[in-house]
Parts: sequence; structure tokens; C-alpha cells
Amino acid sequence: GAVVSQHPSRVICKSGTSVKIECRSLDFQATTMFWYRQFPKQSLMLMATSNEGSKATYEQGVEKDKFLINHASLTLSTLTVTSAHPEDSSFYICSAIGGQGDLYEQYFGPGTRLTVT
Amino acid sequence: AQSVTQLDSQVPVFEEAPVELRCNDSSSVSVYLFWYVQYPNQGLQLLLKYLSGSTLVESINGFEAEFNKSQTSFHLRKPSVHISDTAEYFCAVSDTGGFKTIFGAGTRLFVKA
Repeated sequence: GAVVSQHPSRVICKSGTSVKIECRSLDFQATTMFWYRQFPKQSLMLMATSNEGSKATYEQGVEKDKFLINHASLTLSTLTVTSAHPEDSSFYICSAIGGQGDLYEQYFGPGTRLTVT
Repeated sequence: AQSVTQLDSQVPVFEEAPVELRCNDSSSVSVYLFWYVQYPNQGLQLLLKYLSGSTLVESINGFEAEFNKSQTSFHLRKPSVHISDTAEYFCAVSDTGGFKTIFGAGTRLFVKA
């Protein structure tokens, strides 16, 4: 099956600093990647959709200047949380489309736990 | 707008008992329905999906779900659960394939010995 990895799995950073999270499709080319945010005991909230080589499409209410998304290649998308604050602490999950499964299946990464102190 | 309702936030059940996790889709245009499972501190794994054809779909580990168009439901069932089935289960729908997937709030299945 298609595998998606995320790095790091956990990160702790100080308030005001920036942190980058990588999402990689390991054995397939991901035409589209998605970034989600999940608060404790809640569902996934779609933050943005990114296509390789083009600007990400952000969902309403998501600050594009704060959550920078770069989809530089068909196997890598990055999410940078700029000037992080404690309220940005969350579980960030990426997913990708384009594996050997049908067009409608998203393959999810294992998630990144961000803690801002 | 699409909306997915998972009627139970938590479902405690004893091992080897049957279980049903309920999901209702309020939209009339959803054509793709999914169930995902999430184990602690992990990403989501696709459990099963309905795209077209037979309304009853099954997973490899004994779960099944049936799309009931008239009731707009897609409840997840398993006749006999194991301790290892303890996890969070998310129902999801989409009207555009894998894009713009809307997730329910999740149901925590807790299997007790």
C-alpha cells in the first residue's frame, strides 16, 4: 500500500519561533496533499489543500501567512508554523492522493504532535 | 452543505460482544463514504469505503458498513469485537472523490475485557 511519512513525529518549540513539518509520500507520487489539524478528542479540521507546483488553497479561517505550505515536489509537502504560540499546539496530520489505490482514497501520515511552550 | 453526524462520542463494549457505530450524512449529494480508524497518537487508516455498487462493504478485520440511502446512514458494525479494536473511529463523506472530505466528530470505541 501507499505510505506517507511525517517528520518530526513530535516537536516542542518556544513561543515566537517557527517550526517546519514535512510530509512525504514514500512510494508514490502525490498529486495532491492535504493538511489537517486535530485538537484533543476532536475530529480532523482541513486546513489546506496543496498541489505540486502551485499555491495551496486554504480553508476559511486558516491564516495562510501563519501556516505556510510548500509543495515543491510530487513527494514532499511542508507545513511551516510561523511565530508559533501556545494555541497552535495541536496534532497536525497530512494526507496524500495519488497512490495505487483509487482516486478517492487519501493516505494519511502518522501525524506530528506540536507543543508550543 | 455537507455534514456528518456520529451519534455516539463513546461506545464502551465488552470483548466478543457486537458493536454498531452510527453515522448519518445530512447531505443529499455525498456519493463517497468512508470509515477511518485512528489508534492513539497515530494518523488515520482507511477501514472501508463505499463508492458505488453493493451498498454493503466489508473490511479485512471483520467490520462492515451498509449505506442506507433512504436513511442517509452508513453505520459501522462488527459482530464480535476484540480488545485491539479499541480506537477512535471516524465516518467521512465526500461529493468529489478524495477531495474535500468531511469528517465526523469521531466515536471512541472502548473494548473491555
